[in-house]
Formats: sequence, structure tokens, C-alpha cells
Amino acid sequence: DSGVTQTPKHLITATGQRVTLRCSPRSGDLSVYWYQQSLDQGLQFLIQYYNGEERAKGNILERFSAQQFPDLHSELNLSSLELGDSALYFCASSEGQGVANEKLFFGSGTQLSVL
Amino acid sequence: AQSVTQLGSHVSVSEGALVLLRCNYSSSVPPYLFWYVQYPNQGLQLLLKYTTGATLVKGINGFEAEFKKSETSFHLTKPSAHMSDAAEYFCAVSASGGYQKVTFGTGTKLQVIP
Repeated sequence: DSGVTQTPKHLITATGQRVTLRCSPRSGDLSVYWYQQSLDQGLQFLIQYYNGEERAKGNILERFSAQQFPDLHSELNLSSLELGDSALYFCASSEGQGVANEKLFFGSGTQLSVL
Repeated sequence: AQSVTQLGSHVSVSEGALVLLRCNYSSSVPPYLFWYVQYPNQGLQLLLKYTTGATLVKGINGFEAEFKKSETSFHLTKPSAHMSDAAEYFCAVSASGGYQKVTFGTGTKLQVIP
């Protein structure tokens, strides 16, 4: 058990809808990262937050947004969903600001299916 | 920019045989290199990482990897495969000296045949 909690584990929704994925980092970790894992794209970095502030941005679509709350949990909001958004979404956390050699701890993911 | 190429999306080995999973990287600055493992229905776990210093890195579960700058490689090996090693393995790279932007490879699924 990595200590990173993601909810829900599975989410089935329709095109055009909006969903929210939730992540609680390991106790004491200040950084949260979101990744998207799909068969054709592999594991893609979306965005990182450190202590409530956006730290780094990857290949995140404009339809997607995230935030990190004062209690350090994070939410990833996906809107105007398309079939291609179907993927496994991982949250990870790390202790510090996210320097390049920090160890990431991953949650078990949220499987999103857009029908 | 940085990238990682994992050769072979699926690798099969017999139980007790050598495991070799290949990873080549590209980075414009000295890299940090990682291997992560993903068991079914779980998130990724760090196996080992190379930052600086000794080029042969030992990780958990008997795995090791060697950083070869001249070959831009970071192959993962284990002398003797166990059934419990069946999983998907991801090589990853990040640029040293900067903030975390880890680029993952597309993964290699390891099958261990009894």
C-alpha cells in the first residue's frame, strides 16, 4: 500500500459529461501529480501541484483542470468528455517540491470509461 | 527535452531464467533514470533509480540496472525470474537539476512461464 488514495476506482459516464477524480496523498507529502495512462499514449504527465500551487504542467487538455486544497488532497476535473478520454488516471505524491530525483508514490488509479 | 524508448512491449521468460528489459533514453542534460513496476490493479512502485555516482544500481526484489552513458541505456536485469515478477515495467527519465517532470516509457509486460 503506497498510502495514496484515489476515488472512485471505476467511473463510467457518457460523452459530454463532467467528472471529478479525487486523490489523497501520503501523509506528509506536499506534491501531487496527475498522470493519464492509455494503451496508445502510455503514461502521460498531466499536472503537478505543490502545497496548493501549480508547479508543473504537462500534456493536460484545456477541458481538464485540477486543484490542490489546503488539506493537500487534490481533484482532477474532466469536462466535455470524449471517447478518447477513456483511460486510467493515476495520482502520485512526493515529499517535497518535486525535484527531479524525488520518489513518486502512486495510487491504484481511477479507471474512466466514456461511453 | 527527454524521452524514453522501451524495446519490446511484451517479454516472456521461463521461471529461473535471466530477465532483461531494455530501455534507452534521450536527454539534453544529465538524466535521472528510474524503473517502476506495476502489478495488476495497482499503481506504479519504484524499483530503483539512478541519480549520480555508481552506475550499477541495485533495487528491490533482486533487480538491478546499469547506466551506460555511451549507449544511452538503462537496462533492467534480474538473474533468475520468479513467477511473482510477472508485471508491467516502466522505464522513466527526468532532467537533473530541475523540478519533477518524469517522462515514462510505454512499458514492457513481463510474462514468467512456469
